[in-house]
Amino acid sequence: DVKVTQSSRYLVKRTGEKVFLECVQDMDHENMFWYRQDPGLGLRLIYFSYDVKMKEKGDIPEGYSVSREKKERFSLILESASTNQTSMYLCASSFGNGQGREKLFFGSGTQLSVL
Amino acid sequence: AQSVAQPEDQVNVAEGNPLTVKCTYSVSGNPYLFWYVQYPNRGLQFLLKYITGDNLVKGSYGFEAEFNKSQTSFHLKKPSALVSDSALYFCARKGGQGNLIFGKGTKLSVKP
Repeated sequence: DVKVTQSSRYLVKRTGEKVFLECVQDMDHENMFWYRQDPGLGLRLIYFSYDVKMKEKGDIPEGYSVSREKKERFSLILESASTNQTSMYLCASSFGNGQGREKLFFGSGTQLSVL
Repeated sequence: AQSVAQPEDQVNVAEGNPLTVKCTYSVSGNPYLFWYVQYPNRGLQFLLKYITGDNLVKGSYGFEAEFNKSQTSFHLKKPSALVSDSALYFCARKGGQGNLIFGKGTKLSVKP
């Protein structure tokens, strides 16, 4: 089975801190995604990547950046954490560039609280 | 803009009864539509997808979904609900960049 591992299940940070959320997948997937999940808003795409060292902005990239130096790892960076970034962050990966791209495999999520 | 809408925040069903979780999509090209499920304290899991062809799509755990072009809908259905089906369900469609655009989610509660 595909495994998408997010480094922390729960994280508490202070306003202004630089925060790193790590995601690793073990199935050699080309595509990786970062979403945030908020009650009543569903999932919103922050950034995604279809290849190593490649990144694309999603719907809500402001205040975030990403890094993909290796195929299996996709990091989300909060440059200066703010309270409105308190959320559940979900990492996902998928295979290829055809129809399989839309079958996403998700990690368990990181609940980030910014105080 | 391409989008999906889930008009119900919560659906309550008695165990053994049929269930429907509703989803409508904006009319823009040929929609590729998906359903995902999130069980408590777990990541989202793929249930099923509609790309083309038969309007009735069968997926995991006994779920199916019906694509209806005239009503721009893609409702998720199951003939007989289980308590273990209680979860958060998300409808999604393929976006212009190949990514997925998700709805806001519908909480399904199945009571014994």
